[in-house]
Amino acid sequence: AQTVTQSQPEMSVQEAETVTLSCTYDTSESDYYLFWYKQPPSRQMILVIRQEAYKQQNATENRFSVNFQKAAKSFSLKISDSQLGDAAMYFCAYRSAKWGMDSNYQLIWGAGTKLIIKP
Amino acid sequence: ETGVTQTPRHLVMGMTNKKSLKCEQHLGHNAMYWYKQSAKKPLELMFVYSLEERVENNSVPSRFSPECPNSSHLFLHLHTLQPEDSALYLCASSQDPRAGSYEQYFGPGTRLTVT
Repeated sequence: AQTVTQSQPEMSVQEAETVTLSCTYDTSESDYYLFWYKQPPSRQMILVIRQEAYKQQNATENRFSVNFQKAAKSFSLKISDSQLGDAAMYFCAYRSAKWGMDSNYQLIWGAGTKLIIKP
Repeated sequence: ETGVTQTPRHLVMGMTNKKSLKCEQHLGHNAMYWYKQSAKKPLELMFVYSLEERVENNSVPSRFSPECPNSSHLFLHLHTLQPEDSALYLCASSQDPRAGSYEQYFGPGTRLTVT
């Protein structure tokens, strides 16, 4: 069974600095998707960034980028120029890409990392 | 209304009460999900509906009963809950993920407290 581990329960960073959140996963599959979600104190979970395992290029969305190391099963999130609005819980998630499988519905989640932004 | 909405946002109920949580998505998606989020634990998938048909039921106690009357609405009927059922209940929707890397869109959640 697949698992997702976020080893940092809490991280803090000075405003405008860069922070990296770590995520490792365990799977025997070769094709899958990885996601980072953000949940601010208002509780609405939103997608930050997505990576397809077959793509070698790391995904980037504005100040957010990932370091995807497929062999090491690592999927870290880098936030550049941190802003107060980035304060939130960040969740890493995995989903199988085996086409047509009912397991496609299941996102495997990490326990989350609480990110604190210091002004 | 846009995105995924949930009502009520907060609910306090006794163990003998019956209540329902409602979720509505305005995104044209065809899959909907119920999750339970407890402190310091990964999100737990409870139920999945795709095209109004239940696809997954992850060993959830029968005191939780889902209903999906159409692709835009999802309910979670609650009865004789236990205090350990107190949690944040999140609803999400997506296009059918069996066809691609479709991400899930979440509602704001219902904070449930069982007394």
